[in-house]
Parts: sequence; structure tokens; C-alpha cells
Amino acid sequence: AQTVTQSQPEMSVQEAETVTLSCTYDTSENNYYLFWYKQPPSRQMILVIRQEAYKQQNATENRFSVNFQKAAKSFSLKISDSQLGDTAMYFCAFMTPQGGSEKLVFGKGTKLTVNP
Amino acid sequence: DAMVIQNPRYQVTQFGKPVTLSCSQTLNHNVMYWYQQKSSQAPKLLFHYYDKDFNNEADTPDNFQSRRPNTSFCFLDIRSPGLGDAAMYLCATSRDRGQWDEQYFGPGTRLTVT
Repeated sequence: AQTVTQSQPEMSVQEAETVTLSCTYDTSENNYYLFWYKQPPSRQMILVIRQEAYKQQNATENRFSVNFQKAAKSFSLKISDSQLGDTAMYFCAFMTPQGGSEKLVFGKGTKLTVNP
Repeated sequence: DAMVIQNPRYQVTQFGKPVTLSCSQTLNHNVMYWYQQKSSQAPKLLFHYYDKDFNNEADTPDNFQSRRPNTSFCFLDIRSPGLGDAAMYLCATSRDRGQWDEQYFGPGTRLTVT
């Protein structure tokens, strides 16, 4: 069974600084996708960034970037120049095909607080 | 804006009293998902529809059922809610299967069981 582990239940960072959220996963699949989702307080979950397992180049979206280490099964998220609006729960997720559709398996999340 | 809408945002029901949560989408996506998210836990997939094709997760209790009368709407029925069913229920959609697309989430319905 695929599992996703986020070892940091809570983190905090000062505004404008950089923070890295950790994620490891376990799978025997060779073809999969990895995602980071953000869930702000009382708002819906939105996609932050995605990474295809077959791509060696790390994905980047503006201030958000990942460090994807396939052999180590590690997928960390770096947020640069943190902003107050980055305060949210962050979920790492692994996508695998199942029953013809793709299934997301989530980690337990990391609660990030950006302090002014 | 195209979106995923969940109603109500907060639902209180009594132990054993059937309850229905609703989800609608304006994205015209073929796949719709229901997740259960308990406090401090990861969202857990209950089931999903690809068009009208229903796919149940192996460990989803029989107490949970779903209906998708058309592309836009999907319902989660809890036949006899127990205290352990109190959770946030998230609806999500994706464009199609085989596309490895992101899933688009609604804001969730927080269910309280008294």
C-alpha cells in the first residue's frame, strides 16, 4: 500500500523568510505523480505544485519549489519569501492509478504559520 | 468562476438520523470524489464516480453511499450516522481519468453528530 508521511505537524516562519516542508512516501510503483496542496483556514484545498515521477527536473511555481529525490522517496516543498497568505495546512499527496481513475493518497498535513 | 460547491457548509445531525451532503460542479468534469477528513488526519477517499461508473474504496463502510444523478451533482448519503462519522467531508473533481490531472476541491461540509 502507498503511504505518505509528513513528519512536521506544525511549523512557523517569519514573513519574507524561507521554509521547507518535508514529505516522504512509500510505493512500489514506477509511474506516479506527487502534489502539494494548500488548505487555508475555512477555505478549499488548492493545488500548489505537482511533480511527475519520470521527470528529473524539480518543479517550480513562482515562490514554491520542490526537491524531489526519487531514490530516497522524498518530496519536500520550499516556500521562499513567505507571505502572511501562505498560512495554511499543507498536504503532500501521491497519485496512483486505480480502477481506471487516479487516486490521491494524502499525508496528515503540516500546519504552517507565517508570522509578521 | 467555474468551481466546486458544497452545501451545506455545516451540518448537524442526530445519532442514527440519515443525512445527505451535496456537491455540485460547474467545471463539467467527468470524475467526482468524496473524501472524509477527520481532525488532524489526512483526507481519506471514500469513493469516486467516473461519469456514472461508481467506484467504492474497499474500506469504506456500508453506511456511506453516493448518488450521481447527472454530471454536475453528486450526493453523499450517510444512512445511520455514528459519533465516529463526525468529520469534514470534501468533494473533489477532475477532468477525466487517465490524465493525471489535479483534483479541484470544494470548501467541504463539516458534519457534527449529536
